Formats: sequence, C-alpha cells, structure tokens
Amino acid sequence: AQKITQTQPGMFVQEKEAVTLDCTYDTSDPSYGLFWYKQPSSGEMIFLIYQGSYDQQNATEGRYSLNFQKARKSANLVISASQLGDSAMYFCAMRAQNSGGSNYKLTFGKGTLLTVNP
Amino acid sequence: NAGVTQTPKFRVLKTGQSMTLLCAQDMNHEYMYWYRQDPGMGLRLIHYSVGEGTTAKGEVPDGYNVSRLKKQNFLLGLESAAPSQTSVYFCASSYSAWASGSYEQYFGPGTRLTVT
Repeated sequence: AQKITQTQPGMFVQEKEAVTLDCTYDTSDPSYGLFWYKQPSSGEMIFLIYQGSYDQQNATEGRYSLNFQKARKSANLVISASQLGDSAMYFCAMRAQNSGGSNYKLTFGKGTLLTVNP
Repeated sequence: NAGVTQTPKFRVLKTGQSMTLLCAQDMNHEYMYWYRQDPGMGLRLIHYSVGEGTTAKGEVPDGYNVSRLKKQNFLLGLESAAPSQTSVYFCASSYSAWASGSYEQYFGPGTRLTVT
C-alpha cells in the first residue's frame, strides 16, 4: 500500500523568501510518480510539479522545485521568492504502478497550509 | 476546452434522499476518478474508471455508486444520503499511458454537498 505523509499542518513564510514543504512517501513499487498540487481558498486543485522515480534530476517548474531524495523517500516542494498569491493548501500525492499492471490512482497526503506574510 | 466540469456546484440534501453528481471532461481522457475531501483528511478516492463501461472501487466506496456509460462522463450516485457524506466532491481525469510524461490528473471545481 502507498502512503504519503505531510508532517507540517501549517507553515508561515515572509514574502520574497523561500519555503520548503515536506513530503515523505512509502511504497514498495519500483516505479512511481510524485506530484504536488495547490489548492487556494477558492477550492480548485492546481497541478504544480511532477517527479518520476527514475528521473535523474530534480524537477523544476518556474519558482517551484522538487527536492527528491529517493533513498530517504522524500519529495519536498521548494517555493522560491514567495508571493502573497502562494498562500494556499499544498498537497503531495503519489501514483504507483503495481506489479499487477496499471494503477493510476493517486494517494494524497493531508496537506500543508502555507501562509505568506507581507 | 472546458476541461473537467462538475454539476451541481452546491447541494443540500436531507438524510435518506438520493442524488447524482455529474462529471464531464472534454480532453478525451481514458481514466476518471471521484474523490471526497474532508477537513484534515486530504483527498480520498471513492471510485474510479479506466474506460467507458468500467468502474472500480477506491479507498472509501461505501454508500456510493458510479457509472461510466460514455467516455466523457462519470456519474457519482448517492442512493440514501447520510450526514457522514457531507463533504466536497472532486472529479478528475487523466490519460492512461504510463510511457512518458507526468499524466497528472486534471480536477474539476468541486461540488460542496451538505446532508442534514
């Protein structure tokens, strides 16, 4: 079974500073993918970044980067130069491919509420 | 493209009433999913479908039924609503191929359901 753990219920950061949101995962599948989604107060789920288990380099998308440490089973999201609009709930999620074939279900963590202070 | 749409956006039900939530996607995705989101619980998978005419149970399927009669639509039904089903419901869709790319799930805007 897959499990995602986000140990920070809430985080605060000053505008323009960087912040790291933690995510650890557990799976026995050799092939998996890790995702981060943003959920602002308006409620929609916005895809931010993806890291494949076989990717050699850490994923980056604009101000978002994923600090992937496979041996430690961690996939932390780093947001550089925080903006007020980054205030939102952030979810880490994992998709694993079972040995029995395809499995595209996402397992989500409980989320981290990020507040960016001016 | 509209992406993933959900109807209705809000609904209040009384215990024992039934309703159907409709999800539609125009991206020709094979896979579709229904999640529920409760405070402090993240998103939990209710049911999913890997193609037209197929459905499968997720993590929390009890009290719900689904149907995928057309590729672009995925319906979630509550036959006899209970207060424990008060939640925000999200539909999502994705491509099926694992070969390359992230194949992230695209989410609808959500339906806020209250059962009294």
